[in-house]
Amino acid sequence: GENVEQHPSTLSVQEGDSAVIKCTYSDSASNYFPWYKQELGKGPQLIIDIRSNVGEKKDQRIAVTLNKTAKHFSLHITETQPEDSAVYFCAASGQAGTALIFGKGTTLSVSS
Amino acid sequence: GAVVSQHPSWVICKSGTSVKIECRSLDFQATTMFWYRQFPKQSLMLMATSNEGSKATYEQGVEKDKFLINHASLTLSTLTVTSAHPEDSSFYICSAIPAGLAGATQYFGPGTRLTVL
Repeated sequence: GENVEQHPSTLSVQEGDSAVIKCTYSDSASNYFPWYKQELGKGPQLIIDIRSNVGEKKDQRIAVTLNKTAKHFSLHITETQPEDSAVYFCAASGQAGTALIFGKGTTLSVSS
Repeated sequence: GAVVSQHPSWVICKSGTSVKIECRSLDFQATTMFWYRQFPKQSLMLMATSNEGSKATYEQGVEKDKFLINHASLTLSTLTVTSAHPEDSSFYICSAIPAGLAGATQYFGPGTRLTVL
C-alpha cells in the first residue's frame, strides 16, 4: 500500500521567512496530493492540492510542486506570518474516491 | 461550500458505555465518507471507508464489531464506539467526498474529542 514520508517533523522560522516541507510517496499510481493545515483541537483544513498532471500550483503565499518521477512533492510558504503556525500534513491518494494516506505532519512555528 | 460537521464536538463517557458520533455533509451529498482517528501529536490514521447503502470497509487492525459505522443517507454517516475503554480516547475525524465530482478532494469535519474514563 501507499506510504507517505514527511520532513521535517518540526520547523521554526522567523516571520517573513519562507518555509518548505517535503513529502515522498511510494505508490506510483497515486495521482492526488493535498496539503492540510491543522490547528490545535480542530479538523484538518485543505490549503492547496495538486494532481499528477500538473507540476506546480500556486495560491498567493502558498505553492506546491510535484515531481512524479522522483515521487516527491513539496509545500512552499513565503512571507510567513505568526498565524501560519500550525501542524501541516501532506497526503496522497490514488483514483477518485479512495482514502488519503497522510504523512506524520510538520509542526511549523513562526516567531515574530 | 463543502462544509462537514460533526456532533458532538467532545464527549466524556464511562468505560463500558457506547458513544455515537455523527458526521454530516451540510451542503453536498457524499456517497463516500471516511473515518480517521488521531492520537495526540500524531497523524491521522484511516479507520474505515463508509459507503452510502453498503457495509463499511475497515482498515487492518480496526475492530468492526467495536467501531460500528452506518452510512444511512447521502449526508450522514455515524460511528458508534461500543463498550468504550480508556484506550479508545482519541480525536475522531470524518471526511467526505462530494458525489458526482471528479477528483478526490476530501473535506474534513472539525473532529470529535472522545475521553473515556
